Amino acid sequence: ETGVTQTPRHLVMGMTNKKSLKCEQHLGHNAMYWYKQSAKKPLELMFVYNFKEQTENNSVPSRFSPECPNSSHLFLHLHTLQPEDSALYLCASSQDRTLRWGYTFGSGTRLTVV
Amino acid sequence: QQPVQSPQAVILREGEDAVINCSSSKALYSVHWYRQKHGEAPVFLMILLKGGEQKGHDKISASFNEKKQQSSLYLTASQLSYSGTYFCGTERVNAGGTSYGKLTFGQGTILTVHP
Repeated sequence: ETGVTQTPRHLVMGMTNKKSLKCEQHLGHNAMYWYKQSAKKPLELMFVYNFKEQTENNSVPSRFSPECPNSSHLFLHLHTLQPEDSALYLCASSQDRTLRWGYTFGSGTRLTVV
Repeated sequence: QQPVQSPQAVILREGEDAVINCSSSKALYSVHWYRQKHGEAPVFLMILLKGGEQKGHDKISASFNEKKQQSSLYLTASQLSYSGTYFCGTERVNAGGTSYGKLTFGQGTILTVHP
């Protein structure tokens, strides 16, 4: 597989559930990102990882917990979410933090919190 | 601080031209342009670095005015495949003159091309 793959594509969860989003890239990139895309709002940066180390948490509530076990995989663990957390969650990767070649995005996970 | 894009939406007929603008209130290291089709991942189009430059990509080109912290995306002789939402992503300059290494995106411009 090439590119950035996100699973699942769609997820419906209750406010008391715990679920995880997965992102995988086979591009040899060293930086990975989580973005939230809500209707009629700009893409919001959530977390940045560089060589598996978290370098940025953009004031994200603790009900979102990222994990980066290696440079190819990124997870977003979800628990006790709110309905306003419903959105498209996009994972992206880049060669490194210089961003010379831009981001490669995954197709996203469409999350609905009920 | 997110960049501001204009217009919010554009409707074209095939063969017509369009310009999408992106403006920032912060000093920029670079500007990126992406296109997202419905239900798909945003796709990287091009990057423009500080120093002011203009880049081309088939009939899609862009410019970056560093003094004004503005970028424009030019779509000429539009095709049906150009339809989608266009986002600019800006990379800010830090105190050392290099990048913060992350992108802040505008709200997007919806481009619709009709036959």
